[in-house]
Amino acid sequence: KAGVTQTPRYLIKTRGQQVTLSCSPISGHRSVSWYQQTPGQGLQFLFEYFSETQRNKGNFPGRFSGRQFSNSRSEMNVSTLELGDSALYLCASTIEGLGEQYFGPGTRLTVT
Amino acid sequence: AQSVTQPDIHITVSEGASLELRCNYSYGATPYLFWYVQSPGQGLQLLLKYFSGDTLVQGIKGFEAEFKRSQSSFNLRKPSVHWSDAAEYFCAVFTGGATNKLIFGTGTLLAVQP
Repeated sequence: KAGVTQTPRYLIKTRGQQVTLSCSPISGHRSVSWYQQTPGQGLQFLFEYFSETQRNKGNFPGRFSGRQFSNSRSEMNVSTLELGDSALYLCASTIEGLGEQYFGPGTRLTVT
Repeated sequence: AQSVTQPDIHITVSEGASLELRCNYSYGATPYLFWYVQSPGQGLQLLLKYFSGDTLVQGIKGFEAEFKRSQSSFNLRKPSVHWSDAAEYFCAVFTGGATNKLIFGTGTLLAVQP
């Protein structure tokens, strides 16, 4: 069974631009969560989607948003990029959101 | 509030030596606990999990962890470390319920000396 895939793997953007990251969960998994990883803040929860609905949201500004499609694939969007948004963005999937999360390789976003 | 503490930021061990990485959690109910490993530039790989039952859990790559409720700990162990074990290790607790997310510790970076 294929694992969680994320595209693109690397991105370089300029301040003020927006970016969209994509995540395809493991087949059969309906819950997708997003995390931001930075050296200073560590791993922080962004949001979780289940059956095309945002079920939980972390403490991030409204510039961070996401959505989930009927095939469980998920996208997250960051608008008006700031330098501090430079991070590794990780997507994780679970069958129904009960704990055991499987992570993708991440998207490394650099904002200049 | 729920939290996870990994007291050791960086650990160096010799190849073949035993390893113990510490993890303490704060959680009101029975916790779901995890250890993940991250190699440079990679995502997180699940090493093992504890949901309930036997407090000593076995994982992949020869790792094991012991859940001790009285000490609020979930330490990761390996009897003999291999050079390929050099990576960063994260302990996490799953909050469940309304929040449904993983809370991670700050990680322990493991270096292995030949």
